[in-house]
Amino acid sequence: QKEVEQNSGPLSVPEGAIASLNCTYSDRGSQSFFWYRQYSGKSPELIMSIYSNGDKEDGRFTAQLNKASQYVSLLIRDSQPSDSATYLCAVGERFGAGTRLTVKP
Amino acid sequence: ETGVTQTPRHLVMGMTNKKSLKCEQHLGHNAMYWYKQSAKKPLELMFVYSLEERVENNSVPSRFSPECPNSSHLFLHLHTLQPEDSALYLCASSQVSGSFYEQYFGPGTRLTVT
Repeated sequence: QKEVEQNSGPLSVPEGAIASLNCTYSDRGSQSFFWYRQYSGKSPELIMSIYSNGDKEDGRFTAQLNKASQYVSLLIRDSQPSDSATYLCAVGERFGAGTRLTVKP
Repeated sequence: ETGVTQTPRHLVMGMTNKKSLKCEQHLGHNAMYWYKQSAKKPLELMFVYSLEERVENNSVPSRFSPECPNSSHLFLHLHTLQPEDSALYLCASSQVSGSFYEQYFGPGTRLTVT
């Protein structure tokens, strides 16, 4: 069974802080890694994709991938209340259960 | 708007009914997916179609029957469902090229089985 594990949270950070979201996966052969954001009552929205070891930055978001450790993370800098949502880690087509993030003003 | 539409947005059906969910993508993608999202559970991949051929079926009960008549349309035919099938059903599409396939989701159909 190919699994994707995330801390369910909730994770609460103050506005302006860095939010760190983590994900581990079981399939060593995985090549594609994604982070999706899902607001309550909405469908998942792709925010980051990463395919190679290392960091990938896009605005306030940084995805980090370590294939040897089977670990992928998402950092959100200068967190805003509008970032409050559930963040889903996906490895290929398999999703984790998501981490709920709350950014407090 | 992601370019993926789903109808209906809400559906209430009895266990003996037959209904269909429809998905349409306007992105020119070559793969389409059905996912089930239940409360407090990960997104469950149900079916994958690539170039209109079903390439994955994750042990989904036969009361769910997918159909992909072309690369832009995907249906999920439902019959004799159970109350535990109540969930949000999400359609997604992607342009698959090797290992690169970013998925774009539709708004979902909220299904309630009574």
